[in-house]
Amino acid sequence: AAGVIQSPRHLIKEKRETATLKCYPIPRHDTVYWYQQGPGQDPQFLISFYEKMQSDKGSIPDRFSAQQFSDYHSELNMSSLELGDSALYFCASSTSNYGYTFGSGTRLTVV
Amino acid sequence: EDQVTQSPEALRLQEGESSSLNCSYTVSGLRGLFWYRQDPGKGPEFLFTLYSAGEEKEKERLKATLTKKESFLHITAPKPEDSATYLCAVQAADRGSTLGRLYFGRGTQLTVWP
Repeated sequence: AAGVIQSPRHLIKEKRETATLKCYPIPRHDTVYWYQQGPGQDPQFLISFYEKMQSDKGSIPDRFSAQQFSDYHSELNMSSLELGDSALYFCASSTSNYGYTFGSGTRLTVV
Repeated sequence: EDQVTQSPEALRLQEGESSSLNCSYTVSGLRGLFWYRQDPGKGPEFLFTLYSAGEEKEKERLKATLTKKESFLHITAPKPEDSATYLCAVQAADRGSTLGRLYFGRGTQLTVWP
C-alpha cells in the first residue's frame, strides 16, 4: 500500500541557510500535517492543511512557512536556520475516516 | 491544556515477560487516542486508534485498552523485535470536522532482551 513519502531523508545545512522539505501524502488523503521531533523529544505539531488551505497552526516559528499544492503535496520552507532547528521533521496525512499515517521523516542537521 | 503522560519512561523486559505501558491524558473532549511504535530515526508506525471508554483492540502480541482517563498497551510474551519506543497521542474533539493535531506523550522506551 502507498505510504507517505518524504524527501529528502537527510539534509545538512549551515546556519542562516534555507531548507525545503517535501511531503507526498497517501492518495485521496485530504489533510497533511507537519511535526518536529527534537532529540529525545516527543513530536510537536507545527502546521496542517486541509484541501490545500491551512487548517491549524501550532508552535511553528515565523522563519518557517508551509503550503499545500494542487496535487496535495506539501512543502515546509525553513529560513535563517538555527542550530536548534536540527531535528526529525515528520509529515503525516489522513482523511476524515482514517487515522494518521506518518512518513519516514527528514533528518535536518544544522551546522 | 491538553496533556499526555506516559509511564514508565523506560522498561526492560526479558523475552516472554508480559507487561503494560500506561498513557494518562487530559483533553477537552477526546476524539481519539492513538498508539504508535517508533524505531530510532524512523517515523511513528500506527498501531491502534481507540475512540471510547471500554474499547479494546488487539494486534499480535499487543492489546490496547481505554478508560476515561488513561489507556494501557499490554504486551504479552514480548520478543526482542518488539523493542522500540511506544508513543501515545490524543486528539481533541473540538477541532472541527477534519482530524486535528495530535498531542503526544514522551513515550516509553521498551527493551526486550533474549
